[in-house]
Amino acid sequence: AQTVTQSQPEMSVQEAETVTLSCTYDTSESDYYLFWYKQPPSRQMILVIRQEAYKQQNATENRFSVNFQKAAKSFSLKISDSQLGDAAMYFCAYRRRETSGSRLTFGEGTQLTVNP
Amino acid sequence: DVKVTQSSRYLVKRTGEKVFLECVQDMDHENMFWYRQDPGLGLRLIYFSYDVKMKEKGDIPEGYSVSREKKERFSLILESASTNQTSMYLCASSLFGTRVGYTFGSGTRLTVV
Repeated sequence: AQTVTQSQPEMSVQEAETVTLSCTYDTSESDYYLFWYKQPPSRQMILVIRQEAYKQQNATENRFSVNFQKAAKSFSLKISDSQLGDAAMYFCAYRRRETSGSRLTFGEGTQLTVNP
Repeated sequence: DVKVTQSSRYLVKRTGEKVFLECVQDMDHENMFWYRQDPGLGLRLIYFSYDVKMKEKGDIPEGYSVSREKKERFSLILESASTNQTSMYLCASSLFGTRVGYTFGSGTRLTVV
């Protein structure tokens, strides 16, 4: 079974600085997707960024980028130029590729605080 | 704007009551999911469905059942609510085999007293 681990329950960052959230996963599959979701106080889960395992290039979405290390099974999220609106719970998630009923497996979450 | 709608944002029920949590999506998605969110545990999958009238157990199905009579609606049922089912419940949907992840509802915070 796949597992996802986020070892940092809480992180904080100063506004305009950079922060990295860690995630490791365990799987025997070779083809899969990895995701970072953001959950602000509104509780609405928002997809931040996605990485396809067969792509070696790290995904980037504006101020958000990932460091995907497939051999190490590591998938960290870097937030640059942090803004107050980035404060939220962040979840790392894993999904097998192209199977019926393919499910997302989530990590425990990291609560990010952004200090003004 | 595409949506996953959960019928209640907050719910308070008594121990032993039968509880229905409803989820409706308007995106014609095949897959629908029910997760439970608890501090320090992340999101854990209760049940999912990849087609009408189909269902599969997730990681923590005990004490829950589901119903999917129509493609757009996926109901979570607590047959006899207990205090350890106090939690946040999140519904999600996705297309079959999609690379874009899920679309989530905004959650139902259930308190069982």
